[in-house]
This record gives sequence, C-alpha cells and structure tokens, in this order.
Amino acid sequence: IQVTQSPSSLSASVGDRVTITCRASQGIGSYLAWYQQKPGKAPSLLIYAASTLQGGVPSRFSGSGSGTDFTLTISSLQPEDLATYYCQQLNSYPLTFGGGTKVEIK
Amino acid sequence: QVQLVESGGGVVQPGRSLRLSCAASGFSFSTFGMHWVRQAPGRGLEWVAVIWFDGSKKYYADSVRGRLTISRDNSRNTLYLQIHSLRAEDTAVYYCARAEAHNWNLVDFWGQGTLVTVSS
Repeated sequence: IQVTQSPSSLSASVGDRVTITCRASQGIGSYLAWYQQKPGKAPSLLIYAASTLQGGVPSRFSGSGSGTDFTLTISSLQPEDLATYYCQQLNSYPLTFGGGTKVEIK
Repeated sequence: QVQLVESGGGVVQPGRSLRLSCAASGFSFSTFGMHWVRQAPGRGLEWVAVIWFDGSKKYYADSVRGRLTISRDNSRNTLYLQIHSLRAEDTAVYYCARAEAHNWNLVDFWGQGTLVTVSS
C-alpha cells in the first residue's frame, strides 16, 4: 500500500491552523498513525487509529479520516511544533510511511 | 521508564555483514512485539521489519527481504537486526521501536537510533 503525504513542506505563523493530508493507495479503514519527528530526535507517536490522541499529546493536535483519505490538524501552531510529520498505514504488511511533511515556523 | 538502546552501528564496507542490537528495559520485553525502522540521511522513515513477542512471526519490507533478519532473545531483553551484503543504500539511522500492547503494527516508543554507514 502506497501512502502519499502532502504538502512535503509548509511554513506557517504561530497561531495558524495547519492541515496535513495523507492518502493511501487502497482503503485501510482507520489503521493509520501519525508521528512527529523533531530535528535530531527520534520520532514520537502523536495519533493512532486515525483520530485517537496518544497520551500526553497536546489537544491542539487532531486527526480525522478513514478509508483512503486522512488529515492531521494543528489547530494553533506553536513554536515547539517545528518538526517533520509522518503518517503510516498499519493495515497490512509491509507497513508503509508517507514521505513526511516538514513544518517550519515563519 | 521504558528504554531502548541501540548499538552495533558504524562504518562498514560494502558486501560485509553487520548485526545491530537493541537492549530493552523498563517494560516486559517478552510480551511486546518489536520493530526496526530506518532513516537514510536527510530522508524519510522506512519501516524495515517486525517480530512478534515470541519470535513466531516476522514480516519485512520488500526492499530488504532476504538480506535482513530480525530476531530476539527474550532471556536477554534484546532485539537484533542482521544485515547481510551491505549496500550503500543501507546507510541510515536504524531505530529499534516497541509495538503497542494491543496493536502490534503500531509503534508507541522509539529508541534513539544507531547510525550505519556503508562505505569503502
């Protein structure tokens, strides 16, 4: 299953609403996760089952979608959200990641 | 607290083999599935392999099947990744990662990674 993320990068101001999309090449139900990778660090889990927030993740992050189309939304961008975001389909092997979206702060 | 510490990376010549290790602590290792994920310099994440809690099932990325072997030793709380016939495209940070308790395809905790550089 191919997973396509867009955009590959974006620049937004603090307080802006940011949306990242992820499209799977075939239906995957809600078997999708989102990860955040800050510069020089290992990734960390943000959202699983397409819309369930991992414990400790700020509520400004949210996920939605099912089937083939998914979104990650940051409702009010904060400086600490500078990172690259990846989606991953968990429906079938081999598991596959999207190409990533680099979020920069204006 | 949960800790995953990878080791075994370094500079290796093309065609050689390498074994990476991941020492786990802070959780019941023998009851969790485990993954390897890699990231080439400046590139995105690439899922490599998963092994079930008891080692009974293993799945691999198409790009590495046949050259990489995931294994584990539950008596030592250690995960392994054996890489054969190293190629330049295997140059990457290799992350060991824990599978979530109820969904073994979901990674809920990552190690800090070990860098493998394939170069003559």
